[in-house]
Amino acid sequence: AQSVTQPDIHITVSEGASLELRCNYSYGATPYLFWYVQSPGQGLQLLLKYFSGDTLVQGIKGFEAEFKRSQSSFNLRKPSVHWSDAAEYFCAVGERIQGAQKLVFGQGTRLTINP
Amino acid sequence: KAGVTQTPRYLIKTRGQQVTLSCSPISGHRSVSWYQQTPGQGLQFLFEYFSETQRNKGNFPGRFSGRQFSNSRSEMNVSTLELGDSALYLCASSLDRGRTEAFFGQGTRLTVV
Repeated sequence: AQSVTQPDIHITVSEGASLELRCNYSYGATPYLFWYVQSPGQGLQLLLKYFSGDTLVQGIKGFEAEFKRSQSSFNLRKPSVHWSDAAEYFCAVGERIQGAQKLVFGQGTRLTINP
Repeated sequence: KAGVTQTPRYLIKTRGQQVTLSCSPISGHRSVSWYQQTPGQGLQFLFEYFSETQRNKGNFPGRFSGRQFSNSRSEMNVSTLELGDSALYLCASSLDRGRTEAFFGQGTRLTVV
């Protein structure tokens, strides 16, 4: 079965500092990878996606992620965080079954920003 | 373009009752998926509908069911509610099946007492 691991349950960074959230996946074929963000009591907002091609993908809100096949990783980065980035972040892999895709999510990383 | 709309936002039900949640996808999107989010189990796939047909189902009991209408709107139903069904239920819409991104609604928070 496909799986996604986010090793860090909770991360605290200072405002203006750089951020890297880790994501490792287990998938037999070429993965479709996503990062979503969730604010308290809200749904999931898509930050960025990787389907193929350039392994460094740019997303919204200044986020980027790099796909590394050799490490089965898709880490999310931001050079300078803002207080509004405090939220929970989910990495997901698109598992393809009978032509359809379902998302398999990691457990999430909660990000706290210190002023 | 309007996003994914889920109604109601909040529900409180009693054990043993049944509940129906609604999801209106983004205009033009034909695939609707449902996910359950709980603190213990995280985000888990329930089922996916495309062209009014359930194409994919997660590992949930038969009490969980759904349907999709010709306008792509979808409903999910949970019968004989249990305390463990308390969760945030999220609907996601995609343009098509397969290699597309999914856009999520705000969710329906279901509390079973």
